[in-house]
Amino acid sequence: GQNIDQPTEMTATEGAIVQINCTYQTSGFNGLFWYQQHAGEAPTFLSYNVLDGLEEKGRFSSFLSRSKGYSYLLLKELQMKDSASYLCAVLDSNYQLIWGAGTKLIIKP
Amino acid sequence: GAVVSQHPSRVICKSGTSVKIECRSLDFQATTMFWYRQFPKQSLMLMATSNEGSKATYEQGVEKDKFLINHASLTLSTLTVTSAHPEDSSFYICSARVGENQPQHFGDGTRLSIL
Repeated sequence: GQNIDQPTEMTATEGAIVQINCTYQTSGFNGLFWYQQHAGEAPTFLSYNVLDGLEEKGRFSSFLSRSKGYSYLLLKELQMKDSASYLCAVLDSNYQLIWGAGTKLIIKP
Repeated sequence: GAVVSQHPSRVICKSGTSVKIECRSLDFQATTMFWYRQFPKQSLMLMATSNEGSKATYEQGVEKDKFLINHASLTLSTLTVTSAHPEDSSFYICSARVGENQPQHFGDGTRLSIL
């Protein structure tokens, strides 16, 4: 079966750095997406990785290792507005998006 | 770029009413649109995938006669919840993408409350 694992909840302090991990087992791989979803709102696209390595976009970076079936989202200089759920999603061989359950990130002052 | 508009944002209506939700890609042509449902504090659940000009593909357990999807053009898809009941109350979200390996861009969602 297809499976995506990410922690249910994480807590971090304002101004700090947090890494949200995602491991996956899917039938084929055509890329991995990270989305941010604030409570009561729709998800917004953060990043897309299809090749191994680190993609940096401002305070957010996303890393991929295809051989390990592993990705992480790194958030630097945390702000209170970063409190949200972060969703990892993998595009399988049929270009179907397989969603993780999301990681709820709580930022404390 | 990649803006998806979803309307209405909130609907409150009586049981038995049919509700139509529109999803438009404003600045791009979407080859595929998706409809999701999300209950409070739960994960996104894909309901159906629709390609312009063809019938939608529904996920297992989703009644196609209850959730009617029309994808009439490359920029518009509609979801009609027919004869809605309180258990259909949920957050419905559409998304659209340009190509198979492109990100899905989401509308703002429709909060449906059936009394």
